[in-house]
Amino acid sequence: RKEVEQDPGPFNVPEGATVAFNCTYSNSASQSFFWYRQDCRKEPKLLMSVYSSGNEDGRFTAQLNRASQYISLLIRDSKLSDSATYLCVVNERNFNKFYFGSGTKLNVKP
Amino acid sequence: EAGVAQSPRYKIIEKRQSVAFWCNPISGHATLYWYQQILGQGPKLLIQFQNNGVVDDSQLPKDRFSAERLKGVDSTLKIQPAKLEDSAVYLCASSPGVGQEAFFGQGTRLTVV
Repeated sequence: RKEVEQDPGPFNVPEGATVAFNCTYSNSASQSFFWYRQDCRKEPKLLMSVYSSGNEDGRFTAQLNRASQYISLLIRDSKLSDSATYLCVVNERNFNKFYFGSGTKLNVKP
Repeated sequence: EAGVAQSPRYKIIEKRQSVAFWCNPISGHATLYWYQQILGQGPKLLIQFQNNGVVDDSQLPKDRFSAERLKGVDSTLKIQPAKLEDSAVYLCASSPGVGQEAFFGQGTRLTVV
């Protein structure tokens, strides 16, 4: 079983749409959670950390459900520039190990 | 603040040849990671260093891959001999501490022909 599972997509949405990505993780000892963004042929970059109480950064909202071992990312008012692959990342603190999902591809169309 | 530096950016080699990649993490970051990313997949951890000690190399194909981090700063990853299936992007990342984000270098795109 994979440590982190994501729907690979692609999600094809029009500009202005709201889109949500989900991710599940298998290790209950996981302590820190992140969403990374990866543009085509570029390195992954941190989009936002995910906190237990949920957190928002502009048009982006991240939620964590520890009981269900589930993480989500909501993007409101999608922009063309949001087109990218979104990687769900889980950190296992004991050894500071990062586990990556396979990524969800988003295409925002005019 | 300078980011994670990697070189070369691109490399094309023939199968059975050897290749080496270099990484210089962000200053002060004790943890260094090497990931392999095949097109369409998420990064897969090859090896993790804490200072100059290996924390995890369970997914490193040790018959052909080796890595070192002398003096706990920069690191090299070597493949010898390369196989066609080693074609991928090799990403180096570093982290300042437990639970904090990992910062990635631009990666080395390896093509084995």
